[in-house]
Amino acid sequence: DIQMTQSPSSLSASIGDRVTMTCRASQNITKFLIWLQQKPGKAPKLLIYAVSSLQSGVPSRFSGSGSGTDFSLTIRTLQPEDFATYYCQQTYSTPLTFGGGTKVEIK
Amino acid sequence: EVQLVESGGGLIQPGRSLRLSCAASGFTFGDFALNWVRQAPGKGLEWVGFIKSKASNGATNYAASVKGRFTISRDDSKSIAYLQMDNLKIEDTAVYYCTRVPNWGQGTLVTVSS
Repeated sequence: DIQMTQSPSSLSASIGDRVTMTCRASQNITKFLIWLQQKPGKAPKLLIYAVSSLQSGVPSRFSGSGSGTDFSLTIRTLQPEDFATYYCQQTYSTPLTFGGGTKVEIK
Repeated sequence: EVQLVESGGGLIQPGRSLRLSCAASGFTFGDFALNWVRQAPGKGLEWVGFIKSKASNGATNYAASVKGRFTISRDDSKSIAYLQMDNLKIEDTAVYYCTRVPNWGQGTLVTVSS
């Protein structure tokens, strides 16, 4: 199975900050990597697919990068509605594993 | 508008069975694969399994933690996917979501407890 490791597990940031979180795969997953945002009590929402492609309707302050085994999600200017937990998931091979999540909290 | 609506969750005793449904609308259901993902209380996301479209032979694939106990099926005429869960364990307690990229349902809570 491919293990997905996210870091940090949580971070505190202020409105307007630039925030970056990382996701590492235990083997090469090429570009089969998505990012999801989940708010408390809600279903996850797809933000980015294929490492860096922005899902329709997602603000352009979100961006993804990376390839192979190392990936990152950046929020350029943190907004109040961005406080949430973010998950990466590899869709390269089954089982389709998720990272443990990065919780973005208000400083 | 794409909608996925899960139902069938509830409180169930260990060892019993439960069937979840995922009713879809807003897209050609039969053309797409569907995944089930679960989330235990306070925990992260766990992929449960998927079913491919009939064009891809309706192939299924499951996480090791549920293989042999859970079965995913689909009724394209009704635009519904099912998750049959047998021999339920306490550790199966979770919110269960169905997903069709990029859409997710609202989830249904399954609580396995005596």
